[in-house]
Amino acid sequence: GAVVSQHPSWVICKSGTSVKIECRSLDFQATTMFWYRQFPKQSLMLMATSNEGSKATYEQGVEKDKFLINHASLTLSTLTVTSAHPEDSSFYICSASDTDRARANYGYTFGSGTRLTVV
Amino acid sequence: GENVEQHPSTLSVQEGDSAVIKCTYSDSASNYFPWYKQELGKRPQLIIDIRSNVGEKKDQRIAVTLNKTAKHFSLHITETQPEDSAVYFCAASRGTGGGNKLTFGTGTQLKVEL
Repeated sequence: GAVVSQHPSWVICKSGTSVKIECRSLDFQATTMFWYRQFPKQSLMLMATSNEGSKATYEQGVEKDKFLINHASLTLSTLTVTSAHPEDSSFYICSASDTDRARANYGYTFGSGTRLTVV
Repeated sequence: GENVEQHPSTLSVQEGDSAVIKCTYSDSASNYFPWYKQELGKRPQLIIDIRSNVGEKKDQRIAVTLNKTAKHFSLHITETQPEDSAVYFCAASRGTGGGNKLTFGTGTQLKVEL
């Protein structure tokens, strides 16, 4: 089945530093990947749609200069939280669907998530 | 954009009873409706999904119904077990594949008591 690998699974960083999270589709190609943020006891909120070879599309209220997304290949998307602050502490999850139309019927595959703690 | 509402936010049932979670959506173009189970600190796990060309789908103790006219869909879990305790999310999208983004409901904390 489709597998999405996400790293790191958890990270602690100091306020003001940047953190990069990787999301990799292991056995399929994904033209598009999605980045979600989930605060404790809340739902998954879509932050941005990552498009291979082009700029990401950000949801309203998400700062594009703070959450940098790069999707340089059909299997890798990265999210960089720049100048992180304690309020950025959250669970970040990526998701992807197979580019192949037939296999896309399998739905969305999620990464294992990254627990970010900014101190 | 799509807006998905989910009720109830918490649900407590006795082991063996049924549990029902309901969702409504706003985008009439949505045609894919998955349900996810999420345990604390883990990724969402797909438990069942339904597409707009069917009204009901069942997989053992889990079933989902869809009413496209009313724009609502429901998750039914029968013979609940303690291991069913988790947070459940409904979601909706205009289809899988491509740039169709998935919008989640607010979640339901299900607790199955012995």
